[in-house]
Amino acid sequence: AQSVTQLDSQVPVFEEAPVELRCNYSSSVSVYLFWYVQYPNQGLQLLLKYLSGSTLVKGINGFEAEFNKSQTSFHLRKPSVHISDTAEYFCAVNRNTGGFKTIFGAGTRLFVKA
Amino acid sequence: NAGVMQNPRHLVRRRGQEARLRCSPMKGHSHVYWYRQLPEEGLKFMVYLQKENIIDESGMPKERFSAEFPKEGPSILRIQQVVRGDSAAYFCASSPPGGARENTIYFGEGSWLTVV
Repeated sequence: AQSVTQLDSQVPVFEEAPVELRCNYSSSVSVYLFWYVQYPNQGLQLLLKYLSGSTLVKGINGFEAEFNKSQTSFHLRKPSVHISDTAEYFCAVNRNTGGFKTIFGAGTRLFVKA
Repeated sequence: NAGVMQNPRHLVRRRGQEARLRCSPMKGHSHVYWYRQLPEEGLKFMVYLQKENIIDESGMPKERFSAEFPKEGPSILRIQQVVRGDSAAYFCASSPPGGARENTIYFGEGSWLTVV
């Protein structure tokens, strides 16, 4: 079985500062990794994903994440955040089992202050 | 709109009533997934289905909850005899089958159930 741990429940940061949201996963088999963003009262939107190949993946809105197999981590980063980045961010994993049952972390609330 | 469609967006039910939430997957997607998000909590997997077949219902409560994905029409998550603790956002997602290159699940906008 897979599991996902997001190490920070809340991350406050000032506008234009860099941010890193941490994610560790546990799995006995190879998995695919994802970050989703959820704005208030909305569904989840895919930010980026890692399937294979280059361990640094770039997503929408200037976000990027790095897959580290030895540390089983997939941390999300942005060099300069905006007020509009305030949202809940979810790390997730899945694997091909005929479908793609996806397991989510508990979420990290990013709060960008002016 | 070719995205995952959920309705209703908001539903209010009295304790003991039934709630039915509907989900139409993206075009070309054959798998539907239901998740529940309780206030201030993350997403919990409930069930995933193909047409006319439940694949994995390991996250479904044992009583009062059921899901189906008929040959024709949307997937339905049904909650009988609702209680206050069922108040949550219910999200549906869809994906292509496992043989496809695209392995990502895509979410609808959610259905917010409030039990009064």
